[in-house]
Amino acid sequence: QKEVEQNSGPLSVPEGAIASLNCTYSDRGSQSFFWYRQYSGKSPELIMSIYSNGDKEDGRFTAQLNKASQYVSLLIRDSQPSDSATYLCAVNIHLDTGRRALTFGSGTRLQVQP
Amino acid sequence: GAVVSQHPSWVICKSGTSVKIECRSLDFQATTMFWYRQFPKQSLMLMATSNEGSKATYEQGVEKDKFLINHASLTLSTLTVTSAHPEDSSFYICSAGSGYTFGSGTRLTVV
Repeated sequence: QKEVEQNSGPLSVPEGAIASLNCTYSDRGSQSFFWYRQYSGKSPELIMSIYSNGDKEDGRFTAQLNKASQYVSLLIRDSQPSDSATYLCAVNIHLDTGRRALTFGSGTRLQVQP
Repeated sequence: GAVVSQHPSWVICKSGTSVKIECRSLDFQATTMFWYRQFPKQSLMLMATSNEGSKATYEQGVEKDKFLINHASLTLSTLTVTSAHPEDSSFYICSAGSGYTFGSGTRLTVV
């Protein structure tokens, strides 16, 4: 079982719509969760972090966390063509080496159609 | 906010040669830095954790003798890919401090 799982997509939404991106994780002890946006050929850019159950809003972005279900999501309201990118979910996971480190899902490619 | 600088942004080298990549924390001190690798259409995979003043911690399957990491100061970590081969061609990205901010990445192509 992968430690962090995402649907690879592509997820296609029309401009102005809400894009919903989902992520599940395996480590019940995880406490820190992150969403990154990565444009092709570029480094990931941090969009949101969330640590507590519930919703966290920042502008057009809302992160949702449900630790009981081991599920974290990202909603993008009023999607714009410039939001077209790959969205990476990252979780602070307890590794086999005994340490915690940021572990990434495979990413969901979002396409916003003008 | 935390700024992480990575250099070079891209490099092409011949098979068998070594390449050094630098990761710098510009406005903060980082006792820990992280090195990731990303192959095309794949996600970031943690290669190693760089620890200032001590040995790096490598993830399973990463050859420590091939990927040499040096973290000699609180603002600089280097990754040297030794005896590079075409299969080492990838996007190498570092992060520093809490690990949540990334450098701009280095595109390595081995020919």
